[in-house]
Amino acid sequence: GAGVSQSPRYKVAKRGQDVALRCDPISGHVSLFWYQQALGQGPEFLTYFQNEAQLDKSGLPSDRFFAERPEGSVSTLKIQRTQQEDSAVYLCASSLDRGRNTGELFFGEGSRLTVL
Amino acid sequence: EDQVTQSPEALRLQEGESSSLNCSYTVSGLRGLFWYRQDPGKGPEFLFTLYSAGEEKEKERLKATLTKKESFLHITAPKPEDSATYLCAVQAFPDTGNQFYFGTGTSLTVIP
Repeated sequence: GAGVSQSPRYKVAKRGQDVALRCDPISGHVSLFWYQQALGQGPEFLTYFQNEAQLDKSGLPSDRFFAERPEGSVSTLKIQRTQQEDSAVYLCASSLDRGRNTGELFFGEGSRLTVL
Repeated sequence: EDQVTQSPEALRLQEGESSSLNCSYTVSGLRGLFWYRQDPGKGPEFLFTLYSAGEEKEKERLKATLTKKESFLHITAPKPEDSATYLCAVQAFPDTGNQFYFGTGTSLTVIP
């Protein structure tokens, strides 16, 4: 596709359930980022991949959060034993390089997670 | 601690009424400052990158400027389609995490 694709767009989970959010970045983009955006807030960094290597996971809020990008393209963010505070929009972004040169990240439309 | 603060939180303008949005930052060393636009239910869309104090970038009715402590996004003669949330982000030295630190945004409403 032409842009970053995320699925599902909306997910409702009962507290304690596991969820998996998928990101399909722009073809050929080396860098992939996951961000969490709470209502009325700016995006907060979760983790960063360069190809298949997860170079930074310092933003993951707990060990219930796990991300992977096994073949350097599609990425999955998994949240185990969801809690109400996990409710947010999860944004995926990709860039051709590390984003260092232009700061131009291409974002998907996000996956809105609601935990009941 | 690196911080990005945007003001005002919300801004309502009449069509054609020019104004400015502010982004103040505190970082150990600025690698770059970025402006994004976000429409409801969408992901942020890149607008500008600024690297050094004194730099300016323009795109249609928008102009971004940068000083050593803040950036302004000037909107000249806005139209209703400029209504969106405008996000500022910074990337800092040392570049240990490739993190872009985002502010909370300014929600702009342009009234016809």
